[in-house]
Amino acid sequence: QKEVEQNSGPLSVPEGAIASLNCTYSDRGSQSFFWYRQYSGKSPELIMFIYSNGDKEDGRFTAQLNKASQYVSLLIRDSQPSDSATYLCAVGPGGYQKVTFGTGTKLQVIP
Amino acid sequence: GAVVSQHPSWVICKSGTSVKIECRSLDFQATTMFWYRQFPKQSLMLMATSNEGSKATYEQGVEKDKFLINHASLTLSTLTVTSAHPEDSSFYICSAIVGRGSYGYTFGSGTRLTVV
Repeated sequence: QKEVEQNSGPLSVPEGAIASLNCTYSDRGSQSFFWYRQYSGKSPELIMFIYSNGDKEDGRFTAQLNKASQYVSLLIRDSQPSDSATYLCAVGPGGYQKVTFGTGTKLQVIP
Repeated sequence: GAVVSQHPSWVICKSGTSVKIECRSLDFQATTMFWYRQFPKQSLMLMATSNEGSKATYEQGVEKDKFLINHASLTLSTLTVTSAHPEDSSFYICSAIVGRGSYGYTFGSGTRLTVV
């Protein structure tokens, strides 16, 4: 069974700090990796996707992928209270195939 | 960007009645849609995969006769919760693949179902 593991948290960081969220996956054949943000009572929204090993940056967000070690991470620089949410990692084989979601990490940014 | 419109956003119904939830892809064709359920403070749970023009594929443990899914067109998928009971109260969310999976899923805004 394909598994995606995340620490449930909560992860607490002070405002302005870097938040580091991690995710490991079991299926070595995985090709597509996504990070979603979900505010309480709302549906998830896509933050970033990454397919190749290395880093991908988008504004304050950086996704890091290491296929050999089977982990993907999300760094949030200059964390803001508005970043407080649950972050979901999703991993899939690519194309139209379904992805597997982790259980999410709750992030709290303390003002 | 790709938008999935989900209605209603919330619904309260009496036990034993049926409720229909609609998801429409507004500016793209969604060959495949996924239906999730999420209980408070829990993770997303995939219920079924809906493919246009064919029967839905249900995850293990999901009653297909209770959760009826219809994907009659490339822009509309519906989930009907039949004979709803209080334990069916949950947050139901649909999602569609965008860009042949390259851009992940886009989610509907979700439907909060309360069965009384």
